[in-house]
Amino acid sequence: EAGVTQSPTHLIKTRGQQATLRCSPISGHTSVYWYQQALGLGLQFLLWYDEGEERNRGNFPPRFSGRQFPNYSSELNVNALELEDSALYLCASSWGDRPDTQYFGPGTRLTVL
Amino acid sequence: EDQVTQSPEALRLQEGESSSLNCSYTVSGLRGLFWYRQDPGKGPEFLFTLYSAGEEKEKERLKATLTKKESFLHITAPKPEDSATYLCAPLGGYNKLIFGAGTRLAVHP
Repeated sequence: EAGVTQSPTHLIKTRGQQATLRCSPISGHTSVYWYQQALGLGLQFLLWYDEGEERNRGNFPPRFSGRQFPNYSSELNVNALELEDSALYLCASSWGDRPDTQYFGPGTRLTVL
Repeated sequence: EDQVTQSPEALRLQEGESSSLNCSYTVSGLRGLFWYRQDPGKGPEFLFTLYSAGEEKEKERLKATLTKKESFLHITAPKPEDSATYLCAPLGGYNKLIFGAGTRLAVHP
């Protein structure tokens, strides 16, 4: 069974640009989560989508947004990029809105110059 | 405010030298506690889920235990391939995983 996949693996942008990161969950999983892991810091919760709806949001500014598509894949958009947005962005998926194991993808390394 | 503290921050062991990692937490509406392993530059790899105090789970050389305020990850006779960062993550409300900073484990032959 395929795991969570993310694309691209690496992304290099300049300050002020927009970045789009993509995630495909494990087959059958309806929930997708996004986390940010900045260098030297722990994983910080960004967003949770389930059945196409945003269910929860972490303490991040509105320029971090996303959506979930009917096939349960998801996009994370980061507008007006700042240098401190450079981080590993991790996507995880689970079966739904019940407490269940979240399985993580390999991440997208975003570098803002 | 939800808080998770992992200790020690870093641990160096000789191959075969058993030890324990600690995760202490204050999380409202706790729905479970997860342990993950993370290798550099990669996504966290799921190890265990614990749902209630007194619960234990084992996998190869690892055993996770849970109390009301703490969880321990015991490593028995570790090997160099066990070297990684081990992350503890209580699950709070709205399915939010609250990650600790992790324990960096290095096992030397």
